[in-house]
Amino acid sequence: SQTIHQWPATLVQPVGSPLSLECTVEGTSNPNLYWYRQAAGRGLQLLFYSVGIGQISSEVPQNLSASRPQDRQFILSSKKLLLSDSGFYLCAWSPGTGEQETQYFGPGTRLLVL
Amino acid sequence: ILNVEQSPQSLHVQEGDSTNFTCSFPSSNFYALHWYRWETAKSPEALFVMTLNGDEKKKGRISATLNTKEGYSYLYIKGSQPEDSATYLCAFNSGTYKYIFGTGTRLKVLA
Repeated sequence: SQTIHQWPATLVQPVGSPLSLECTVEGTSNPNLYWYRQAAGRGLQLLFYSVGIGQISSEVPQNLSASRPQDRQFILSSKKLLLSDSGFYLCAWSPGTGEQETQYFGPGTRLLVL
Repeated sequence: ILNVEQSPQSLHVQEGDSTNFTCSFPSSNFYALHWYRWETAKSPEALFVMTLNGDEKKKGRISATLNTKEGYSYLYIKGSQPEDSATYLCAFNSGTYKYIFGTGTRLKVLA
């Protein structure tokens, strides 16, 4: 069966510090991968998605970036965090077979930037 | 800008009551509408994928309908139980890899 892992679960970082959140998927090959953010009082906002190794599509201009160094690894990064980067970050995967796909979410990372 | 709206924002019902909430989405370029349940301290979990106008899906006491011409979907819960307490999210897909989520309806079922 497929599983998705995210870490860390919680992170408190000062403004201006770097960020690296990691997501890995097990039990599937060539999945589509997604990073979402939920800011306080708002819905899930798609940040990045990837349909293959090294391929990243960005949905929202911001100071975050994503990378997919391996088939089942998706990393969210920032060189300098802003206060507005605080939120709950969810990684998700889908099978990569079509656009009607159900997405399967990880446990999430709660980020607080102070 | 594509907008997906859910109403109400939050809802309290008594155990045993039936309830329903709404997801509104653009009626053009429709491809699929997804419903998810998000319980506190857990990950969002898929409930339904709906693709055809008039679709009706059911899973236990939960069902959903879809009207793509007018751009809405209803989620119904029959005989609500405390374990149904969660945030219910809908997500609109227009045939790309981008899913646009609503802000969710937070349901609390009181015992």
